[in-house]
Amino acid sequence: DTAVSQTPKYLVTQMGNDKSIKCEQNLGHDTMYWYKQDSKKFLKIMFSYNNKELIINETVPNRFSPKSPDKAHLNLHINSLELGDSAVYFCASSQASGGNEKLFFGSGTQLSVL
Amino acid sequence: GEDVEQSLFLSVREGDSSVINCTYTDSSSTYLYWYKQEPGAGLQLLTYIFSNMDMKQDQRLTVLLNKKDKHLSLRIADTQTGDSAIYFCAESTRSGNTGKLIFGQGTTLQVKP
Repeated sequence: DTAVSQTPKYLVTQMGNDKSIKCEQNLGHDTMYWYKQDSKKFLKIMFSYNNKELIINETVPNRFSPKSPDKAHLNLHINSLELGDSAVYFCASSQASGGNEKLFFGSGTQLSVL
Repeated sequence: GEDVEQSLFLSVREGDSSVINCTYTDSSSTYLYWYKQEPGAGLQLLTYIFSNMDMKQDQRLTVLLNKKDKHLSLRIADTQTGDSAIYFCAESTRSGNTGKLIFGQGTTLQVKP
């Protein structure tokens, strides 16, 4: 009964490969996000979707393409992986109420590009 | 602009109080949040405060907000070893109908027995 689940938890791959990370939420929220956490633990928003529509795209390279088949799912596809893409990627969801953007996070996908 | 600053590290003894500080820049933030991240885990919402409040207490947690100085703090009473984690402060910003959270760089809390 995990609220926000993402797979895989660990992803180790070679430079130049293409990989996907999947995310699903069962909270009934309208908005989903991808955040990137670097090695210094700094968290930065990448994308947000509201009801399958892209709302926020924070100057992320075109190699990153989010896809939301329905409002409960937000997947992240990364083409031509680079060393600098190594990080922990967190999916999150929220249901804004009166301006309260409480985010619920998945447990993260640790991506290592070799 | 949007910016949230925190000190990077705090060490306390078990049983003491911990105070983690945060400054933010977006004066229009309606809510401010504290999240906890344990090793290998995602971020867990600890507590939040509405910008019209100056204090919120929730069991061992006390949040203080000084809106004039854009300063937020989290006090953990009777700190336990299980409180060792990274604590993130976050401000909410809105773009049209959608909001997002801007996080600080996290404060690592080390609790010594």
